[in-house]
Amino acid sequence: DSGVTQTPKHLITATGQRVTLRCSPRSGDLSVYWYQQSLDQGLQFLIQYYNGEERAKGNILERFSAQQFPDLHSELNLSSLELGDSALYFCASNRGGNEQFFGPGTRLTVL
Amino acid sequence: AQRVTQPEKLLSVFKGAPVELKCNYSYSGSPELFWYVQYSRQRLQLLLRHISRESIKGFTADLNKGETSFHLKKPFAQEEDSAMYYCALGGAFGNEKLTFGTGTRLTIIP
Repeated sequence: DSGVTQTPKHLITATGQRVTLRCSPRSGDLSVYWYQQSLDQGLQFLIQYYNGEERAKGNILERFSAQQFPDLHSELNLSSLELGDSALYFCASNRGGNEQFFGPGTRLTVL
Repeated sequence: AQRVTQPEKLLSVFKGAPVELKCNYSYSGSPELFWYVQYSRQRLQLLLRHISRESIKGFTADLNKGETSFHLKKPFAQEEDSAMYYCALGGAFGNEKLTFGTGTRLTIIP
């Protein structure tokens, strides 16, 4: 499968902890986008990376950070977790234009 | 600021009946509009984009710049159309974030 992959599928952790979500874009895609999907907020854009560089920032909390590595995979780091951070986190990628290709998401549950 | 509004959170339609999912947007410029669909337990996938003007799975959507709308329509609903539908807006230059509406959960009643 040459689509966008995300690991892990599910993550359960406690408040105050730190987690790392991983995304591998489609082959050849230079842009990676992170979105948060929660019940009350819908899909919210967090951050975009393009070929290793941060390109755009959305509603990303200071407790969250991301990076894109030379092999173009990306990681989203969430720290000092709160109950309200429980959500589905999607990664998407593309190589230009507006159409984005989404991964299956990581479901984060903070207890 | 760019915004996408989907006024219906839930929509139930009988099989064989017409479907219309509403989407309105605000954007100062020439946006690109999309409909994404998310079937149960699956990833978001592109259903339609306004520039291609094609029909996918019987769905069509026309961009109305005067009314700033991009409603999704299908003349005869099928059970497999039950899913979450998101309207999304991309910028004029591409390679930018997408702004999503809050989504409409469509349920087709057999």
